[in-house]
Amino acid sequence: DAGVTQSPTHLIKTRGQQVTLRCSPKSGHDTVSWYQQALGQGPQFIFQYYEEEERQRGNFPDRFSGHQFPNYSSELNVNALLLGDSALYLCASSWPRGGFLEQYFGPGTRLTVT
Amino acid sequence: LAKTTQPISMDSYEGQEVNITCSHNNIATNDYITWYQQFPSQGPRFIIQGYKTKVTNEVASLFIPADRKSSTLSLPRVSLSDTAVYYCLVGTAGGYNKLIFGAGTRLAVHP
Repeated sequence: DAGVTQSPTHLIKTRGQQVTLRCSPKSGHDTVSWYQQALGQGPQFIFQYYEEEERQRGNFPDRFSGHQFPNYSSELNVNALLLGDSALYLCASSWPRGGFLEQYFGPGTRLTVT
Repeated sequence: LAKTTQPISMDSYEGQEVNITCSHNNIATNDYITWYQQFPSQGPRFIIQGYKTKVTNEVASLFIPADRKSSTLSLPRVSLSDTAVYYCLVGTAGGYNKLIFGAGTRLAVHP
């Protein structure tokens, strides 16, 4: 049973560019959440997708957008990259009807903006 | 979601029991307490979750007093591989849950 997978593993972009990160949830999960983790800090919630809709959003600008596909996989898009967007981007999957706070995280995508 | 407070860092030695305490004074009636573990350059991993009293699994134990304003994660006989950041989270079970992470506790296990 494959866990949560993310691609790419690492990415280097230039300020002002756009980036797309991808996530496949754990088998049987239908909810995907994205988190941003800066060095030395805890993960910060970006948004959550369920049934191909954004259900919740954290305190992130509109430059951060996402999408969920019918197979439950998801993409995170970041436009007009800033140096401050450099971070580890984590995808987590869960099932909302499961009723608990247990989410399964992928290994993350390390984004470096130069 | 209730705010949590936990020590920034802790040190221990192999074979010792480690107890990490988390304070959550504003916990709500419907809130559960959850702990995650994170190794460098990896995503967090769910360790344990509880509502009250004591919960134990193959990895850790979670002690929650009657007033639920704090909780203690207990790691028995730690090894070097337990060196990680441990996060305490509090939130309502059910529905569309977003996890609110604090800075966590950096546990260093020494030989």
